Amino acid sequence: GQNIDQPTEMTATEGAIVQINCTYQTSGFNGLFWYQQHAGEAPTFLSYNVLDGLEEKGRFSSFLSRSKGYSYLLLKELQMKDSASYLCAVRDLNDYKLSFGAGTTVTVRA
Amino acid sequence: ETGVTQSPTHLIKTRGQQVTLRCSSQSGHNTVSWYQQALGQGPQFIFQYYREEENGRGNFPPRFSGLQFPNYSSELNVNALELDDSALYLCASSFETYEQYFGPGTRLTVT
Repeated sequence: GQNIDQPTEMTATEGAIVQINCTYQTSGFNGLFWYQQHAGEAPTFLSYNVLDGLEEKGRFSSFLSRSKGYSYLLLKELQMKDSASYLCAVRDLNDYKLSFGAGTTVTVRA
Repeated sequence: ETGVTQSPTHLIKTRGQQVTLRCSSQSGHNTVSWYQQALGQGPQFIFQYYREEENGRGNFPPRFSGLQFPNYSSELNVNALELDDSALYLCASSFETYEQYFGPGTRLTVT
């Protein structure tokens, strides 16, 4: 099974940078995903890491260290529309299911 | 928008009833996964269908069942509804095991 931990809430100022950490313990790892979910809406795919290192996609970057069971999502130049829940999910090696953390609610203030 | 659609959007049922939720996958996708998301929690994996066969199941009782059709659309059936089944039910489609794209969800309320 999977055990995934991420902080419950974070607050940051518009234009700033926020880093959301995710730690996981897994019986079989086949990739880590980050999703954004606005209240009342479906999760939308942000990033995918399967090898160690940093993946950059515009204002969003995601990092993975498989040996440490650790990932982070970095949000730069924060905008008000970035206020949302950010979900860390690990894909299982055997049946490809996604196991999600409880999500981190990010609030961006003016 | 992801191209994944779900129906209905909202549903209210009484404890003990049965419910069927529907999902149409994105064009070109052959895999559908279903998740249950309680308020304030991350989605919990229910099961996955790949080419009309169940391909993995989470920790949900047998009263949660599903189907995938030849056009890769899918149904989730829940029998003997309980109050704790109240949640957002999300369907996600993918091609093979690549990234999953979620539909808008069905909000189920059991009274």
